[in-house]
Amino acid sequence: NAGVTQTPKFQVLKTGQSMTLQCAQDMNHNSMYWYRQDPGMGLRLIYYSASEGTTDKGEVPNGYNVSRLNKREFSLRLESAAPSQTSVYFCASSASRGSEQFFGPGTRLTVL
Amino acid sequence: DQQVKQNSPSLSVQEGRISILNCDYTNSMFDYFLWYKKYPAEGPTFLISISSIKDKNEDGRFTVFLNKSAKHLSLHIVPSQPGDSAVYFCAAGGGTSYGKLTFGQGTILTVHP
Repeated sequence: NAGVTQTPKFQVLKTGQSMTLQCAQDMNHNSMYWYRQDPGMGLRLIYYSASEGTTDKGEVPNGYNVSRLNKREFSLRLESAAPSQTSVYFCASSASRGSEQFFGPGTRLTVL
Repeated sequence: DQQVKQNSPSLSVQEGRISILNCDYTNSMFDYFLWYKKYPAEGPTFLISISSIKDKNEDGRFTVFLNKSAKHLSLHIVPSQPGDSAVYFCAAGGGTSYGKLTFGQGTILTVHP
């Protein structure tokens, strides 16, 4: 089992460019999450998907969109990247409410 | 507002001694709490959790204590080992948040040989 995988590992964008961060899990989990980690801020929830076919906003959704493509995959899209979106992005999944979340290795994104 | 706070950005301890990491929360609707450990360039990994119906949970060298009246939890690592050096995040969930976790800012633990 690979667990949670994320692509790419690193990305540099120019302001205004768009990109999609990919996430997949092979644990048959229902729920998936996207977080960003910034220095001194911990992890902040961007969007989550409680189950296939549903998505909802988290704490910091502005500037992002998500797609729950199927039970395995949950993508995060930046339509017009801004320097404030420079961060490390983590995808996570969990079996159910109250169970621990399993994290991917992260994508380090720099927006110039 | 920061609903989960880790007020100590860093902690340094000697190998073999106890490490105590603290976390405070403000939302009384939280009903489960977790600790994660994170090494550089890796994703966080789950360490231990506790439900609000308990006040202690133990797993090997790791023990989490919950004081609901004080809205405070702590992680004890005994004995500390150099491999425990990492960033530790506490997280809380429950109430109407459905599965969503709120994380603290993290505490950098350094264990010196």
